[in-house]
Amino acid sequence: GENVEQHPSTLSVQEGDSAVIKCTYSDSASNYFPWYKQELGKGPQLIIDIRSNVGEKKDQRIAVTLNKTAKHFSLHITETQPEDSAVYFCAAGGFKTIFGAGTRLFVKA
Amino acid sequence: DAMVIQNPRYQVTQFGKPVTLSCSQTLNHNVMYWYQQKSSQAPKLLFHYYDKDFNNEADTPDNFQSRRPNTSFCFLDIRSPGLGDAAMYLCATSLNFNHKGPHFGPGTRLLVL
Repeated sequence: GENVEQHPSTLSVQEGDSAVIKCTYSDSASNYFPWYKQELGKGPQLIIDIRSNVGEKKDQRIAVTLNKTAKHFSLHITETQPEDSAVYFCAAGGFKTIFGAGTRLFVKA
Repeated sequence: DAMVIQNPRYQVTQFGKPVTLSCSQTLNHNVMYWYQQKSSQAPKLLFHYYDKDFNNEADTPDNFQSRRPNTSFCFLDIRSPGLGDAAMYLCATSLNFNHKGPHFGPGTRLLVL
């Protein structure tokens, strides 16, 4: 079955800096890669996603890249703000969505 | 707004006392999922429904059951909660498999005394 690894587990950045979170997946059949932001006490919120026929997707300050050959995908947040502080999960799926272990992002004002 | 609603947001039960968590959706999605999330961990899929077809994950304990009486509602029944079942329970939906999402509700935090 699918296995998703996510790094780093914790990331601390200064406000205005960029943050990058990286994931790898194992099942070459996976073709859909969503990213979620989870704030304390809330359910995960889908913030951006990418399909395997696309290499990059951008939405304002967030972007995702996908290297299908290497089975890597990454989340990039530019111009970070304190409200970006949360736990971020990558996921890989198609029929079933499997989550990475999460990255706790701290943005220091 | 179309959304996934979970009730209650917090549930306290006693060890061994059956408990039911509720989920409803106004998205008219075909697939409904139940995930368990323990502190500082990723959501773990327990089971899902595609319409009325039920699929249980292989490692979901028998203590966990689910019902989906119609498109909008789905219930999670825990027959005999143990202390290890204390967690956040997340309901999620997607239009179909391999579609955008899943889209999560706010979760129900279960405490077992």
